[in-house]
Amino acid sequence: DIQMTQSPSTLSASVGDRVILTCRASQSITSWLAWYQQKPGKAPKLLIYKASTLEIGVPSRFSGSGSGTEFTLTISSLQPDDFATYYCQQYNTYSQAFGQGTRVEIK
Amino acid sequence: EVQLVESGGGLVRPGRSLRLSCAASGFNFDGYAMHWVRQAPGKGLEWVSGISWNSGSIDYADSVKGRFTISRDNAKNSLYLQMNSLRDEDTALYYCAKASTWDLLRLFDNWGQGTLVTVSS
Repeated sequence: DIQMTQSPSTLSASVGDRVILTCRASQSITSWLAWYQQKPGKAPKLLIYKASTLEIGVPSRFSGSGSGTEFTLTISSLQPDDFATYYCQQYNTYSQAFGQGTRVEIK
Repeated sequence: EVQLVESGGGLVRPGRSLRLSCAASGFNFDGYAMHWVRQAPGKGLEWVSGISWNSGSIDYADSVKGRFTISRDNAKNSLYLQMNSLRDEDTALYYCAKASTWDLLRLFDNWGQGTLVTVSS
């Protein structure tokens, strides 16, 4: 099974900071990578799929990149609404796996 | 607007059964696969089960295989999860999630708010 590893587990940042979250796959997943945002007490929300495609309605300060085994989610200028936990997920028809999450907290 | 509303959660003793439901609206339900994803308290996300648009393809996580059964009723725009032989480790918030396609590609573009299942004696 493919394992997904996110780093760091927790990230402390300030409003306006550029933030980069990393996700690594245990083997190549080409571009079958999604990012979700989850706020406390809320359901996850799809942000990015196919490694770099922004879901409709997601602010342009979010961007995704990478392929193969290394992926990043970048928030260009952190906003108060962005403090949350972010999960990466590899997906295809026959399997999927979530990373353990990166919590972005206020510094 | 896509809406997914789960129900049926509650407190249940180990070894007993529970049936979860998800009422869908705001989209062409019979055009998409549907899934259940769970989240134990304070933990990450775990995919549980998925069903294709016409129930022709079904899959389960190893942790629930043989105990849980997913089904859907396209006439009622509803998704179900029959959970038997429940264990303590099944305690979680169970989310209903809409897939982005008709097959079992596991990309989830809309989620419900979840229903809490607590397994405890």
